[in-house]
Amino acid sequence: AQKITQTQPGMFVQEKEAVTLDCTYDTSDQSYGLFWYKQPSSGEMIFLIYQGSYDEQNATEGRYSLNFQKARKSANLVISASQLGDSAMYFCAMREGRGADGLTFGKGTHLIIQP
Amino acid sequence: DAGITQSPRHKVTETGTPVTLRCHQTENHRYMYWYRQDPGHGLRLIHYSYGVKDTDKGEVSDGYSVSRSKTEDFLLTLESATSSQTSVYFCAITASGGYTFGSGTRLTVV
Repeated sequence: AQKITQTQPGMFVQEKEAVTLDCTYDTSDQSYGLFWYKQPSSGEMIFLIYQGSYDEQNATEGRYSLNFQKARKSANLVISASQLGDSAMYFCAMREGRGADGLTFGKGTHLIIQP
Repeated sequence: DAGITQSPRHKVTETGTPVTLRCHQTENHRYMYWYRQDPGHGLRLIHYSYGVKDTDKGEVSDGYSVSRSKTEDFLLTLESATSSQTSVYFCAITASGGYTFGSGTRLTVV
């Protein structure tokens, strides 16, 4: 079974609209962390936001927020007021336990913002 | 960028030749990782290291070996490159709970 599932291979959104990118995860660990990364066409991996499994409040970073629903094992990324520069691939990833053996990634969502 | 440098940035090589990719970090991080990225697969872990001479396999380790003789360098070797190893390779480190990635190496095996 996949540990990280991103069900939206591609999305088209009008500029200035809010966007929700879906991510569900599967783990039996009590301690874990969820990450979102942005990969623009230039190829670098840009960290956006992090949510720990014990965090009681949803994480926010500027226009990014993480809608964390622990019981549903979902960690959706919300981008408010989308901009043309938000067009990119977006990856959800999970750290299990202390994370010494790295992150497990979903397959990504290709987001295109239309003017 | 947490001082991570990958070299080379681009490489074209022939099937059957050995290839070594280098990841260099300047901040004495203990853990280092090699991932490959392919369309439709996201990033998948190849090998990781938790200290000098301490390495372990990841999800897609077949056909790859690694070495870490110094804290700052983590080398990924394809002993005999195949076309299926055409990919973009990312190195990463972890520090303070976060993960930072290098700029990637685009490898083409022809």
